[in-house]
Amino acid sequence: EDQVTQSPEALRLQEGESSSLNCSYTVSGLRGLFWYRQDPGKGPEFLFTLYSAGEEKEKERLKATLTKKESFLHITAPKPEDSATYLCAVRENQAGTALIFGKGTTLSVSS
Amino acid sequence: DAGVIQSPRHEVTEMGQEVTLRCKPISGHDYLFWYRQTMMRGLELLIYFNNNVPIDDSGMPEDRFSAKMPNASFSTLKIQPSEPRDSAVYFCASSSGSDTQYFGPGTRLTVL
Repeated sequence: EDQVTQSPEALRLQEGESSSLNCSYTVSGLRGLFWYRQDPGKGPEFLFTLYSAGEEKEKERLKATLTKKESFLHITAPKPEDSATYLCAVRENQAGTALIFGKGTTLSVSS
Repeated sequence: DAGVIQSPRHEVTEMGQEVTLRCKPISGHDYLFWYRQTMMRGLELLIYFNNNVPIDDSGMPEDRFSAKMPNASFSTLKIQPSEPRDSAVYFCASSSGSDTQYFGPGTRLTVL
């Protein structure tokens, strides 16, 4: 059973059409939830870290939120340059510094 | 800062050959991670080091894989002998303490 599940696997939006990506997790003790962006042929690029339920972080058109079971990455009025794969990862209390990644959501924004 | 540096960026080899992937972490970072990314399994942690010492290698798929970190600025991931199922993108990442991990550009490995 996957400990980190992202949905949907793929999302197509029109420019300006806001939406949300979901990351649900089943780890026993969360010590941090991370969002990364990955462009084709490149390494994941860090976006946000969330540590406790209720926490929110924002960066340009992106806002990440966290509950006890899931995190959302809200994209407001997306632009074509927001097209990428968005990866979610969690760090467990008992797992040292290791991250467990979800398989990602591939976002395509068309103009 | 130059970020995490990996070489080579692309490697094509034949089954049975030895492959060595290289990584230079961000200066001052004391953690180094090796990941493998495939379409089927996503991004998986293979091994990580703290202060050049391997801490957790439970993700290393089998004895054909080995990793070393002889000093704070260099690490290698070696596959010997390589097999077609090892084809993937291999990423190196580094962090300061248990802080955010920063990834390199990856090495795309193709084993024929």
